[in-house]
Amino acid sequence: SAVISQKPSRDICQRGTSLTIQCQVDSQVTMMFWYRQQPGQSLTLIATANQGSEATYESGFVIDKFPISRPNLTFSTLTVSNMSPEDSSIYLCSVEDPRLAREQYFGPGTRLTVT
Amino acid sequence: AQTVTQSQPEMSVQEAETVTLSCTYDTSESDYYLFWYKQPPSRQMILVIRQEAYKQQNATENRFSVNFQKAAKSFSLKISDSQLGDAAMYFCAYRSISNFGNEKLTFGTGTRLTIIP
Repeated sequence: SAVISQKPSRDICQRGTSLTIQCQVDSQVTMMFWYRQQPGQSLTLIATANQGSEATYESGFVIDKFPISRPNLTFSTLTVSNMSPEDSSIYLCSVEDPRLAREQYFGPGTRLTVT
Repeated sequence: AQTVTQSQPEMSVQEAETVTLSCTYDTSESDYYLFWYKQPPSRQMILVIRQEAYKQQNATENRFSVNFQKAAKSFSLKISDSQLGDAAMYFCAYRSISNFGNEKLTFGTGTRLTIIP
């Protein structure tokens, strides 16, 4: 399975600022996903990021708030913009390996606290 | 839209015993994938087991097995010989078999499993 790393692992940010989270995969993948996990909650998909095309956002998430880049097949970034305390969550990236029955593998997550 | 329901917010089991976590889902699709993920306190999401809906045989991975009841839309996880390292949040997830915008995982709300020494 793919090995995924995320930076930073955690951060504490002030409201109104922005944070960019990086996701690096050790192999080329087509599909990359960004999820949000609010405290004590399940995972919710923010957007799907394919290389060479615009990210596809889920209902309730907009590009101005969560801009995503996907410059190549091994890397993606998610920016959380103009943060508020409600953005305090764990943000996880994942990739899908089409060779393994559509299994998705997750990065270690970024724990974001907004004060 | 698909939904996934885990009706047990918390479960506990004695070490070395067997525990079953429940999951039901709702879909109009005939083919799909189902997964169980484990999230320990480290927050790393770990894939435990997968089931393809077109396969009648229940999936098994070492101490982990599923009871897949397609007609009832039920997908429970059985953990045998529970170990302290099994303590975690367990999430059931659904993925459509089709692509082109349907690749996302839909997660249940999770079950927190505690192992009693």
